[in-house]
Amino acid sequence: GAGVSQSPSNKVTEKGKDVELRCDPISGHTALYWYRQSLGQGLEFLIYFQGNSAPDKSGLPSDRFSAERTGGSVSTLTIQRTQQEDSAVYLCASSLIWDGDEKLFFGSGTQLSVL
Amino acid sequence: DAKTTQPTSMDCAEGRAANLPCNHSTISGNEYVYWYRQIHSQGPQYIIHGLKNNETNEMASLIITEDRKSSTLILPHATLRDTAVYYCIVRVASGYNFNKFYFGSGTKLNVKP
Repeated sequence: GAGVSQSPSNKVTEKGKDVELRCDPISGHTALYWYRQSLGQGLEFLIYFQGNSAPDKSGLPSDRFSAERTGGSVSTLTIQRTQQEDSAVYLCASSLIWDGDEKLFFGSGTQLSVL
Repeated sequence: DAKTTQPTSMDCAEGRAANLPCNHSTISGNEYVYWYRQIHSQGPQYIIHGLKNNETNEMASLIITEDRKSSTLILPHATLRDTAVYYCIVRVASGYNFNKFYFGSGTKLNVKP
């Protein structure tokens, strides 16, 4: 597909379980972002990958959160020992920086519900 | 640290211009202003961005004040499909080819018939 794809679209899990959320960016995009959006709130930055550089992990809320990006393409966000406050929509975006200019293209997100 | 301030909500009559304000008083000289919108249950959608000059595209116009401390997004003829949350964002360079996009809480625009 031409856009950013995220899976699953919905995930319900029990407190204490681990979850993995997947993001397929637009082909050729070198930058990939993860954001979290709690109900009725704005977007909270989590982590940023750019090419082969070390990721910017400054937004990850705790060490239960981690992310990796394999081969500069697909990314997986992992949340270990999920808590109820982790319930939110997790959004992925990709971009291509060209001549200093950049636009983010977002997926539709994964709605995570921790019971 | 959102870096932008927007009204929580606004109403606009269908067919009229919608003017959405944003304050970004701490913006630095090389930081861009972006606008995105989010329709319920979808990911945010790019609208327009600029540095210091006014910008126009097929969706909207962006007016940035001379001191760059505020901007206004203009939807010239709002339709019911423009009902969404509109985010004013500052893009901050945090290293070589590293940018951070700071989203605030956005403005819920209600377009009414």
